[in-house]
Amino acid sequence: QKEVEQDPGPLSVPEGAIVSLNCTYSNSAFQYFMWYRQYSRKGPELLMYTYSSGNKEDGRFTAQVDKSSKYISLFIRDSQPSDSATYLCAMSLSQGGSEKLVFGKGMKLTVNP
Amino acid sequence: NAGVTQTPKFRVLKTGQSMTLLCAQDMNHEYMYWYRQDPGMGLRLIHYSVGEGTTAKGEVPDGYNVSRLKKQNFLLGLESAAPSQTSVYFCATSTQTQVSQPQHFGDGTRLSIL
Repeated sequence: QKEVEQDPGPLSVPEGAIVSLNCTYSNSAFQYFMWYRQYSRKGPELLMYTYSSGNKEDGRFTAQVDKSSKYISLFIRDSQPSDSATYLCAMSLSQGGSEKLVFGKGMKLTVNP
Repeated sequence: NAGVTQTPKFRVLKTGQSMTLLCAQDMNHEYMYWYRQDPGMGLRLIHYSVGEGTTAKGEVPDGYNVSRLKKQNFLLGLESAAPSQTSVYFCATSTQTQVSQPQHFGDGTRLSIL
């Protein structure tokens, strides 16, 4: 089982839809959870960053972490065509002098007007 | 304020040629990273640096060398390019360790090896 699993999609939704993006992980030692957004021919940019279980909201975006199920989600409300991008989850740990940051493979989202 | 700037943006090489990719940052970040991004593989760390004059290997370092002679610059070198090194290369920076601090990425260098 890979450490971080992310459905690569692609996912196509109509404008205004609620979008749910998910990642699962196998290493319970992961401590930090991030979502990056990557537009075509651009570098990834940080969208959401969480440390603990629960929800974190920022405008139309909500990041959810469920450590007991080893599952993280990103919800996009009232999706817009400008949300069309690839979304990468990432998670990291620091343990016994060892550090690791692992990215998911990314999910390509298209929001149709 | 440019953030993270990568040069060149695009390059085509022949097998066996060498080249250097440059990453420059104006954010005064200590940590710098080189990744490659391939379809179906995600982002993979090649080498990284925790400060001026230091470098370390990442997940896929073979075939690459790096140098961090100045804090603001991180160079990635391909000594003898191979078709397997065709990829999009991203440089990233962070204030502290990548584990607890988000990274800031450049817009990538698209490299094709024929």
